[in-house]
Amino acid sequence: GAGVSQTPSNKVTEKGKYVELRCDPISGHTALYWYRQSLGQGPEFLIYFQGTGAADDSGLPNDRFFAVRPEGSVSTLKIQRTERGDSAVYLCASSLALAGGYNEQFFGPGTRLTVL
Amino acid sequence: SQKIEQNSEALNIQEGKTATLTCNYTNYSPAYLQWYRQDPGRGPVFLLLIRENEKEKRKERLKVTFDTTLKQSLFHITASQPADSATYLCALASPNQAGTALIFGKGTTLSVSS
Repeated sequence: GAGVSQTPSNKVTEKGKYVELRCDPISGHTALYWYRQSLGQGPEFLIYFQGTGAADDSGLPNDRFFAVRPEGSVSTLKIQRTERGDSAVYLCASSLALAGGYNEQFFGPGTRLTVL
Repeated sequence: SQKIEQNSEALNIQEGKTATLTCNYTNYSPAYLQWYRQDPGRGPVFLLLIRENEKEKRKERLKVTFDTTLKQSLFHITASQPADSATYLCALASPNQAGTALIFGKGTTLSVSS
């Protein structure tokens, strides 16, 4: 079956612009996560959705970052007034929501965002 | 805050040898720990999960141990092959209320030479 897909695969934008990154999770996965990964670092948690609601947004760095998942499937990560420091690979993952959270996460290939 | 350290950024071994990667953590006790493999330009791929009440888990040539007293996990690849060359990431369950977000280490890049 299809895995997690993310679009676009690459996004180049100018400082100050607005960008949207899209994630299509595996069908039937109610849990969805956004991470970002800088070069030489591990993924850094941003936000977690359970269904349509953001169950944990403690990783969002500031109010320029926002994510939605209106129908409990596709999610969009939105970044306003982009800064050069936002340049990174943005990874999306999905999982089944198992009791106790003992769930493997399935990652997409990521969107490489470059802010000039 | 939680801190995760993976023993080295890079590990080079000969084909056929056992690779051992280390993950140390501080400041809290996670409910479980996971190991992922990441190839260049790709997202991480899940390998193994071990719970706090488990000492050891195996899957084919992979073995993971979890010592909650030492706050350490060891990840072993036996009979290593050049195809095992990748970055291996240790990830801990977040201690927050939702409990399912992962906190990742920086990773160890393994190179297996033939």
